[in-house]
Amino acid sequence: EADIYQTPRYLVIGTGKKITLECSQTMGHDKMYWYQQDPGMELHLIHYSYGVNSTEKGDLSSESTVSRIRTEHFPLTLESARPSHTSQYLCASSVAGGNTIYFGEGSWLTVV
Amino acid sequence: AQTVTQSQPEMSVQEAETVTLSCTYDTSENNYYLFWYKQPPSRQMILVIRQEAYKQQNATENRFSVNFQKAAKSFSLKISDSQLGDTAMYFCAFAAYNAGNMLTFGGGTRLMVKP
Repeated sequence: EADIYQTPRYLVIGTGKKITLECSQTMGHDKMYWYQQDPGMELHLIHYSYGVNSTEKGDLSSESTVSRIRTEHFPLTLESARPSHTSQYLCASSVAGGNTIYFGEGSWLTVV
Repeated sequence: AQTVTQSQPEMSVQEAETVTLSCTYDTSENNYYLFWYKQPPSRQMILVIRQEAYKQQNATENRFSVNFQKAAKSFSLKISDSQLGDTAMYFCAFAAYNAGNMLTFGGGTRLMVKP
């Protein structure tokens, strides 16, 4: 399995709370990604990064924000969670120029 | 923009038998990659097999093989000698060469291997 870790794996929080989903990889990959996946549905890219201090929005609009201060770390933050944010969030990474993406185990977020 | 379609939301197969999962895609790109990813219940998504569009030979990884038909924009996955551990969601995905590994995923096929 790939060396990419997400915490928390499962989180239930109240509406209006601020949350940060952590993602770390120990493979030295330059590129990192966040995908959102509703249960039983396809994945949609919401954020990606080419390297330190690089962040871009993906195909699916998201109210979340990301930062990339260190190569190995790519946290995702929701300033004020809403029930519509309930979903699974998958972090991934790849080498620059490579074509294989490695995924973390995902963070299941439920906003009540 | 690319689209990936998996027309089989759910499939089942008996252990030790062979099953084929379908995937079609639409793109105007000529150079791209195609992937099959496996997502077991509550576990990490892992790459099963990858195909470069410029290669005519179908990719094979042990019990997993693909039937890549570029003209038809079809990319099916064949699992031979199915095992209980193959039970998972399977996602077909597309990435253009110049898209920096941005994957476009299909809707997934839930495969159940029955003992």
